[in-house]
Amino acid sequence: DGGITQSPKYLFRKEGQNVTLSCEQNLNHDAMYWYRQDPGQGLRLIYYSQIVNDFQKGDIAEGYSVSREKKESFPLTVTSAQKNPTAFYLCASSNPNRDHIGYGYTFGSGTRLTVV
Amino acid sequence: SQQGEEDPQALSIQEGENATMNCSYKTSINNLQWYRQNSGRGLVHLILIRSNEREKHSGRLRVTLDTSKKSSSLLITASRAADTASYFCATGSSNTGKLIFGQGTTLQVKP
Repeated sequence: DGGITQSPKYLFRKEGQNVTLSCEQNLNHDAMYWYRQDPGQGLRLIYYSQIVNDFQKGDIAEGYSVSREKKESFPLTVTSAQKNPTAFYLCASSNPNRDHIGYGYTFGSGTRLTVV
Repeated sequence: SQQGEEDPQALSIQEGENATMNCSYKTSINNLQWYRQNSGRGLVHLILIRSNEREKHSGRLRVTLDTSKKSSSLLITASRAADTASYFCATGSSNTGKLIFGQGTTLQVKP
């Protein structure tokens, strides 16, 4: 079945450490996105990528970095510069049509990152 | 930046009743989408309504869109305990396909 896979499901980070969250999709979607969700809150956009080798900052990109070397992969690195990284991280993908209206996103099941 | 604001923030109803959630947004949009999130899980796409549409149905879901008031509503009819979840509206407003999500409505359906 086609889908989007995030790993790991739970991740613990020590202070000052960089960690990388994996996101892989086999839906042949062009666009991929990373969101952060804090308890009881909505989703905030970290980074997004419309095509391979290209990505743009979202609303809260500081302290994060991404790469898009392959169409199916969009890893997110949470750097030590991110002062409050404890949150639930969601990856999504979509395939906007020619009219750019777009269809719904497909989401992964999320990674819960905790700083210890 | 948050585009949509859902109302109410929390809703508790009995099984069999209808649930209505509202979403307001600020800028012009191409489409508005509703998503569902079960606790600790990813979001699931429910329905998309385009800016030139006023109403759309999918099973027990009914979505309306009023672009003059910059608002949308999601109606879940004959609710079930399994409908208990958080519901988010999201607006798409540019060629990027980027969506901006609201804060969500937490729905509890009591059996």
